[in-house]
Amino acid sequence: DAGVIQSPRHEVTEMGQEVTLRCKPISGHDYLFWYRQTMMRGLELLIYFNNNVPIDDSGMPEDRFSAKMPNASFSNLKIQPSEPRDSAVYFCASSFITTYEQYFGPGTRLTVT
Amino acid sequence: EDQVTQSPEALRLQEGESSSLNCSYTVSGLRGLFWYRQDPGKGPEFLFTLYSAGEEKEKERLKATLTKKESFLHITAPKPEDSATYLCAVLGGTSYGKLTFGQGTILTVHP
Repeated sequence: DAGVIQSPRHEVTEMGQEVTLRCKPISGHDYLFWYRQTMMRGLELLIYFNNNVPIDDSGMPEDRFSAKMPNASFSNLKIQPSEPRDSAVYFCASSFITTYEQYFGPGTRLTVT
Repeated sequence: EDQVTQSPEALRLQEGESSSLNCSYTVSGLRGLFWYRQDPGKGPEFLFTLYSAGEEKEKERLKATLTKKESFLHITAPKPEDSATYLCAVLGGTSYGKLTFGQGTILTVHP
């Protein structure tokens, strides 16, 4: 298996622009997670899905953030409008419901200027 | 609310100098404790899952152990390539599939 795939790997955008991050989980995994990592706050869970249904979005910082999982093979995280404080590395991870071991993608490094 | 505290925040070792990293946790009904390794610019890489007190798992120079309150990651005769951030996470009884992560320990092994 190719593992969790994320795109783009790097994104540089200007404040106010819409940003879309994409994730393809490992085939057959039941859970999909979106995290944000910064030096100051460490690894923060934003939202997670079980069988494509959002379970907990309490980590989404503001209404500017939204995430969808239209099918078992794809999820996206949108930020609209983006702000400089959104600059971080965003990770997607997936896991089986039986073992809960999360496997992470390589991340998207977002820079908002 | 599940909580995880890792210590020390950073650890510097000489090559061959064995040591341990600590992960203390409070959780309602532990269903699993997970160790990850993260290299700069990469996503966390899964290492081990421990399910119950007394359990141990080994991988190369790493051995993870678990008690009812904490877990240790023992590093025996480390090499420079073991340098990374090591993350600990727990899965509690009411968390569905959600892991609670600690802040990590930055390990640097000097040749």
